[in-house]
Amino acid sequence: EAQVTQNPRYLITVTGKKLTVTCSQNMNHEYMSWYRQDPGLGLRQIYYSMNVEVTDKGDVPEGYKVSRKEKRNFPLILESPSPNQTSLYFCASKRGHTIYFGEGSWLTVV
Amino acid sequence: GQQVMQIPQYQHVQEGEDFTTYCNSSTTLSNIQWYKQRPGGHPVFLIQLVKSGEVKKQKRLTFQFGEAKKNSSLHITATQTTDVGTYFCAAISSGSARQLTFGSGTQLTVLP
Repeated sequence: EAQVTQNPRYLITVTGKKLTVTCSQNMNHEYMSWYRQDPGLGLRQIYYSMNVEVTDKGDVPEGYKVSRKEKRNFPLILESPSPNQTSLYFCASKRGHTIYFGEGSWLTVV
Repeated sequence: GQQVMQIPQYQHVQEGEDFTTYCNSSTTLSNIQWYKQRPGGHPVFLIQLVKSGEVKKQKRLTFQFGEAKKNSSLHITATQTTDVGTYFCAAISSGSARQLTFGSGTQLTVLP
């Protein structure tokens, strides 16, 4: 089954404690991206990757890092999380014009 | 960066009533996409519009792209409780090949 898998789905963490949200897709898509969703703001792109070792900033990259060492994986790294990074995060991959989203990761930073 | 304005933010309708959500951009769009997100779920791609004045239908859903390619609408005829969710538009401006900008979404509630 074609899917985008993110982990963890739910996480409560403390300010400053580094965390990684993993993302994996099994569709061999070259394009992957991360979004955060906040009430009233819709989905905002954090980072995207056109292919292995090619990443670029989206609209809200501050406080985040990504890496793309292999095609299927695109982890999102929060080196020093802060409460304003409390949000719902979606990983996505794309072929053509169709975007496939993961199930989402609820992250709370206290 | 590019902004896509979507209205209304919330809409409550009685089951059987129609519903419309609108997206507007100040810049010309290359294309526009529509997504549906069920409560607690993830966005799911519905459709893409590319041509000026394009109209596409999916059962009770009608999607339109404006003649100037700066606005779009999604209209649902005779809503059902299964239509509940948040509807997002997402657009790529004519000047950018990669940046997909999402509207803020319209949250639809259908009262039985």
